[in-house]
Amino acid sequence: GNSVTQMEGPVTLSEEAFLTINCTYTATGYPSLFWYVQYPGEGLQLLLKATKADDKGSNKGFEATYRKETTSFHLEKGSVQVSDSAVYFCARPSGLSAGGTSYGKLTFGQGTILTVHP
Amino acid sequence: DAGVIQSPRHEVTEMGQEVTLRCKPISGHNSLFWYRQTMMRGLELLIYFNNNVPIDDSGMPEDRFSAKMPNASFSTLKIQPSEPRDSAVYFCASSPLGRRHEQFFGPGTRLTVL
Repeated sequence: GNSVTQMEGPVTLSEEAFLTINCTYTATGYPSLFWYVQYPGEGLQLLLKATKADDKGSNKGFEATYRKETTSFHLEKGSVQVSDSAVYFCARPSGLSAGGTSYGKLTFGQGTILTVHP
Repeated sequence: DAGVIQSPRHEVTEMGQEVTLRCKPISGHNSLFWYRQTMMRGLELLIYFNNNVPIDDSGMPEDRFSAKMPNASFSTLKIQPSEPRDSAVYFCASSPLGRRHEQFFGPGTRLTVL
């Protein structure tokens, strides 16, 4: 089926450290891939996306490259800030109807809690 | 532009009472999703609609839960009767036709059932 697997957290880093959060997906075709972020007390919001193999999504200093060879979409940031403390979710489309249409349903990973200390 | 609007933001009720959560999606979005989030179970999709029609309600935990979308600008999630294990944060999200998987989440309703 359609699934994504994230590295287990929590992840604790010092400010300006390098961040990697691993995400792998099941290889049924070449789905679009997404990272969502949830800041404390808020709903999820889209952080970045990639729609095809070898695409790199980027936003707010975060990057993720769609690698079909390893079915991975790892999230990276070169220098994290305290304000990056949040929960990060990897996601892929799921839920095709009988006619083959997806209505926007996503399969989310379990989420990785990131805490950045000053 | 206004984002997804949810009300109430916080709800405290007693076991057995009816609870109604409300959602106003972003104007022009045609898919709407209801999620529940807890520490134990994480983020769960309960039900989603496309053009006001329920597409998949397999995530609704039991018959005590029901959801409606009478028009494109309003949806409700009802729990009757409520139980303490329903305590969670409930999120509504919407997405546009051209970017169906880019979901915009509301701020959530924190429900506590005593």
